[in-house]
Amino acid sequence: KNEVEQSPQNLTAQEGEFITINCSYSVGISALHWLQQHPGGGIVSLFMLSSGKKKHGRLIATINIQEKHSSLHITASHPRDSAVYICAPRNFGNEKLTFGTGTRLTIIP
Amino acid sequence: KAGVTQTPRYLIKTRGQQVTLSCSPISGHRSVSWYQQTPGQGLQFLFEYFSETQRNKGNFPGRFSGRQFSNSRSEMNVSTLELGDSALYLCASSLSLAGGTSYEQYFGPGTRLTVT
Repeated sequence: KNEVEQSPQNLTAQEGEFITINCSYSVGISALHWLQQHPGGGIVSLFMLSSGKKKHGRLIATINIQEKHSSLHITASHPRDSAVYICAPRNFGNEKLTFGTGTRLTIIP
Repeated sequence: KAGVTQTPRYLIKTRGQQVTLSCSPISGHRSVSWYQQTPGQGLQFLFEYFSETQRNKGNFPGRFSGRQFSNSRSEMNVSTLELGDSALYLCASSLSLAGGTSYEQYFGPGTRLTVT
């Protein structure tokens, strides 16, 4: 069983729809990162959170430490949100990042 | 403030050769981490350097090595290249990952290595 499970693997939605990407992990963590990767490879860190909820513009990230689960939400999705979103928990003991396989999001105008 | 820079951006090497990749972190950042991304394995952690010391290491063979200089710039080296080493190599810098406190990571654009 992978340490990090993301779902769905692929998601296609219409512009304006509310998007949810889920991440479950099995290890104790000190923090969890949500990353965005556009075609061409560049990675941007969207959120780093260790409890509760964070919001940046149309993006919201939540985490439930007890349930070892995090979600990334996008409100009023836009074609420019099309990217791969990667969940990356940071192991509490050794501080290493492990990565989910990513969710490929496509927003259709 | 300038972002994380990586050089070169693209590289083609032959099996058996060695390669050195460079990463310049954001000014003031003392931690540099390296990652490998392949279509088959996804993103994987290689190693992390803090104040010129390797503080963490992933599960990669000894052919993969790195170092950090006093100005926090970091290099990674892969010796005896194999076809499977073809990947996007990313570095990321942060203020620190000391004492269990996690800091935001800022990624460079990556070096795309092709081994033929």
